[in-house]
Amino acid sequence: AQRVTQPEKLLSVFKGAPVELKCNYSYSGSPELFWYVQYSRQRLQLLLRHISRESIKGFTADLNKGETSFHLKKPFAQEEDSAMYYCALGGSGGSNYKLTFGKGTLLTVNP
Amino acid sequence: DAGITQSPRYKITETGRQVTLMCHQTWSHSYMFWYRQDLGHGLRLIYYSAAADITDKGEVPDGYVVSRSKTENFPLTLESATRSQTSVYFCASIRGGVGTEAFFGQGTRLTVV
Repeated sequence: AQRVTQPEKLLSVFKGAPVELKCNYSYSGSPELFWYVQYSRQRLQLLLRHISRESIKGFTADLNKGETSFHLKKPFAQEEDSAMYYCALGGSGGSNYKLTFGKGTLLTVNP
Repeated sequence: DAGITQSPRYKITETGRQVTLMCHQTWSHSYMFWYRQDLGHGLRLIYYSAAADITDKGEVPDGYVVSRSKTENFPLTLESATRSQTSVYFCASIRGGVGTEAFFGQGTRLTVV
């Protein structure tokens, strides 16, 4: 089974504070992990993918296969980071590739 | 315009009616997906497709039908709409391959009354 768990539905922090959005996954094969973001009234867009090991808008995420986690972190949150964040897992569901999302975490960064 | 587009953007329909949501992409991406987005449930996969004429059920397929006769189109049909199918529906496509980005449509807000 392919499953993504985001334990926090809501996360509220103040501007300048560190933020961590948690993501755990369940998958028997070699996982592909992503973070997608949905800003207000915009379509979902890719933020990060684990294979790139990049930092986008100050966000980073490290794949920890031992803990089956892919937490998203940013050292200093900005108000424009307020959005819905989804962790996603790509893999073969049966014979075909599928992309499974967690329930999402709504991040609010307060001034 | 290049990209992935959904139509209609908004739809109100009555219980029991059949309704089809359209999804069209211009990249010739192999994989396409339909999700519904509901508060408290996030994005749930309804159906997905690896290529023309190849479709698979996702997490919540009951009450939905898909087809993919052409690579660029992936319509989603609600055979007999129910109030529980009131939701925002998103279509997505990916080219394929490890770590490939998914591109999403702008969504269709469907209300079943």
